[in-house]
Amino acid sequence: DIQMTQSPSSVSASVGDRVTITCRASQAFGSWLAWYQQKPGKAPQLLIYAASTLESGVPSRFSGSGSGTEFTLTISSLQPEDSATYYCQQANSFPLTFGGGTKVEIK
Amino acid sequence: EMQLVQSGVEVKKPGESLKISCKASGYSFTTYWVGWVRQMPGKGLEWMGIIYPGDSDTRYSPSFQGQVTISADESSSTAYLQWSSLKASDTAVYYCARPRSSWDDGFDIWGQGTMVTVSS
Repeated sequence: DIQMTQSPSSVSASVGDRVTITCRASQAFGSWLAWYQQKPGKAPQLLIYAASTLESGVPSRFSGSGSGTEFTLTISSLQPEDSATYYCQQANSFPLTFGGGTKVEIK
Repeated sequence: EMQLVQSGVEVKKPGESLKISCKASGYSFTTYWVGWVRQMPGKGLEWMGIIYPGDSDTRYSPSFQGQVTISADESSSTAYLQWSSLKASDTAVYYCARPRSSWDDGFDIWGQGTMVTVSS
């Protein structure tokens, strides 16, 4: 199984800050990685797929990069509505696996 | 509109059986995989398994293999997740989700979640 390790587990930042979340895989693969945003009491929402492709309707301040074993999600200018938990998910092989999540809070 | 609509809240006792549902609409049910994800209270997302309704090809996470059964009914465009004997540790919200294209893609359509509480 491919284990996905996210860091940090939580981050507190101010509006306008740049926030970067990292996801490391236990074994290398291509770009079959997705990022999701989840707000309390709601289903996850797809932000990024294929490591760097922005899902339709997602603000352009979100971006993804990486391949191999290290992937990043960047929020270029944090907004109040970005307060949420973010998850990575590898889609390279079964079983699909999620990272442990990163909680982003607004200072 | 493409959507997945899940069955409602369940409150069960340990040892009871349960089958929850996920009804698809707005797209061809048999040509997309449908996955199930568990979220225990205050915890992260766990991928449980996935089914291709077109041929019933089903893959499970090792953590859930033998603990649950995933199935699909083409005639009603509905996927199911079932337990034969619930435990307190099955208390969680369960989501169904559909990937953008195949299983190796991001999941862009999610159900609203089904909360399952197992308590004596």
